[in-house]
Amino acid sequence: SQQGEEDPQALSIQEGENATMNCSYKTSINNLQWYRQNSGRGLVHLILIRSNEREKHSGRLRVTLDTSKKSSSLLITASRAADTASYFCATSNDYKLSFGAGTTVTVRA
Amino acid sequence: EAGVAQSPRYKIIEKRQSVAFWCNPISGHATLYWYQQILGQGPKLLIQFQNNGVVDDSQLPKDRFSAERLKGVDSTLKIQPAKLEDSAVYLCASSPARATYEQYFGPGTRLTVT
Repeated sequence: SQQGEEDPQALSIQEGENATMNCSYKTSINNLQWYRQNSGRGLVHLILIRSNEREKHSGRLRVTLDTSKKSSSLLITASRAADTASYFCATSNDYKLSFGAGTTVTVRA
Repeated sequence: EAGVAQSPRYKIIEKRQSVAFWCNPISGHATLYWYQQILGQGPKLLIQFQNNGVVDDSQLPKDRFSAERLKGVDSTLKIQPAKLEDSAVYLCASSPARATYEQYFGPGTRLTVT
């Protein structure tokens, strides 16, 4: 079963705008990871945030984690056409990753 | 550093036929994963190896799916016989250790069962 649930399912934005997507999960976690998947390709790891961290940055990415609400958000700032992809959150408990169904982001030129 | 290699990239078979996928993880990665990703869904873990031992195969349909990782390096995933609902992308991933590290994914094999 999939633990994480992303919201929204799909997002369409103009180039240069920010994109925000959310992930909710049900059980306790060791860490939460975000991955990107371009059409027809494998997943690429973006960022990992541990359960004792609240916010993490990597380039144009900002991830927050609220363990009391069992939720996380991924913000992509100043979006580019190359950011068009599906984004998945994955929760880690012990040794296993459980993925959500993903948010499909389309960046319009 | 070479990434995770998978072959074939695409496969079309008829139901009840058998098929095999191959994965070569990143050199030195002890942990190898096989995922099934159905269109519109996130990846679902089928089996996880630590070196050449199975850590988790709780979601592997063992009546038709099998996997092995000989010598703790390459791995093969087999489906026999295939069903229509097995149409999916099969992703292989590896990570340095069993603990909660990031995973490195291969490009996947897209299987279509007709």
